[in-house]
Amino acid sequence: DQQVKQNSPSLSVQEGRISILNCDYTNSMFDYFLWYKKYPAEGPTFLISISSIKDKNEDGRFTVFLNKSAKHLSLHIVPSQPGDSAVYFCAAPSLRGTSYGKLTFGQGTILTVHP
Amino acid sequence: EAGVAQSPRYKIIEKRQSVAFWCNPISGHATLYWYQQILGQGPKLLIQFQNNGVVDDSQLPKDRFSAERLKGVDSTLKIQPAKLEDSAVYLCASSQTSGTYNEQFFGPGTRLTVL
Repeated sequence: DQQVKQNSPSLSVQEGRISILNCDYTNSMFDYFLWYKKYPAEGPTFLISISSIKDKNEDGRFTVFLNKSAKHLSLHIVPSQPGDSAVYFCAAPSLRGTSYGKLTFGQGTILTVHP
Repeated sequence: EAGVAQSPRYKIIEKRQSVAFWCNPISGHATLYWYQQILGQGPKLLIQFQNNGVVDDSQLPKDRFSAERLKGVDSTLKIQPAKLEDSAVYLCASSQTSGTYNEQFFGPGTRLTVL
């Protein structure tokens, strides 16, 4: 059961344009979401998060939008830069029970930003 | 602040052989996670430790995988015997523990190839 899904395996954009990465979830118990960025041969690094009490969180060029009714979130990168080329994972932590903090990840989206 | 350390970075073994991975979390982090990331998929939790106790190992194939965290600091993950489908990147992560969600910091991972 894939509780967090990223249906686009890859995305290619031109430098300076907007990148939009999408994520869907099925578990209504999730109320906090994170985006991680991963370069080759490195571990994932935290990028931005959003709580279910908000519908938008912004940090510089990165904005995450949450639509709870649709169980959908998206990450917007504006403007995109070549250094943003990486794999992006959507994730949701378990905030209840003994597995507190356990992350459920989507499959990832490979973003390529062309100069 | 030193990050999460993992070794080895790469390992190639033949099926039915044994292998062990080591992780040193960030100093003071009580919670330690081992994730398995198969190519094209997101990381999946194998086991979660709180200090030196296991809080979630529901996804750990216990017939071949084992993990320990002696003294609540370093951790080792062992596979014996390895199968072809164990080829993956094994990620270790750690976080502080409190009543609210704390960011997980990931190590660079160990890439295992089983031939």
